[in-house]
Amino acid sequence: EAGVTQFPSHSVIEKGQTVTLRCDPISGHDNLYWYRRVMGKEIKFLLHFVKESKQDESGMPNNRFLAERTGGTYSTLKVQPAELEDSGVYFCASSRDGRRHNEQFFGPGTRLTVL
Amino acid sequence: AQSVTQLDSQVPVFEEAPVELRCNYSSSVSVYLFWYVQYPNQGLQLLLKYLSGSTLVKGINGFEAEFNKSQTSFHLRKPSVHISDTAEYFCAVIKVSGNTGKLIFGQGTTLQVKP
Repeated sequence: EAGVTQFPSHSVIEKGQTVTLRCDPISGHDNLYWYRRVMGKEIKFLLHFVKESKQDESGMPNNRFLAERTGGTYSTLKVQPAELEDSGVYFCASSRDGRRHNEQFFGPGTRLTVL
Repeated sequence: AQSVTQLDSQVPVFEEAPVELRCNYSSSVSVYLFWYVQYPNQGLQLLLKYLSGSTLVKGINGFEAEFNKSQTSFHLRKPSVHISDTAEYFCAVIKVSGNTGKLIFGQGTTLQVKP
């Protein structure tokens, strides 16, 4: 079974540009999560999808961030326009169902650098 | 609100020595507790979790953790570490009830195993 995959692995952009990150969850996993780790800080929750619906988007920092999950399969996270403070590692995770004791399976992350 | 504190950012240890990585949490509601590990260039992987019952939890790769409710701690231990245990370790909690799969992480502890 393939794990959670993320693309790209690295992205370097200039302030003001747009970047789109993609996450492919494990097949059959209805729940998809985005997290972010800014350098030196803890990993922070961004949002939680159940299929194509946003279950919880309380961690989204501002309206420059847009997450979508059309069709309930892969998800994209767009940052537009990017700011310096958006630099960090963006992790995606998935789980088969939403029971909170279940393991979330994480992808390797996308390292975003905004210059 | 919940919070997680990992008391050591880096823990250097010699191979075959025992190790303890400390984690304290704060929460006004019941939580499940997790330890994840991130090896270089990989996603986070679940080591173990505490849901209920016995306070000593065994995980993969010889790791175990003990839940202490009175001290609100969930320290991770291994009696004898290997070079391959060099990685970053994350303690995390999630609310037992509610409708979000939001994991709350500590800042991470880098375990450096020396030969």
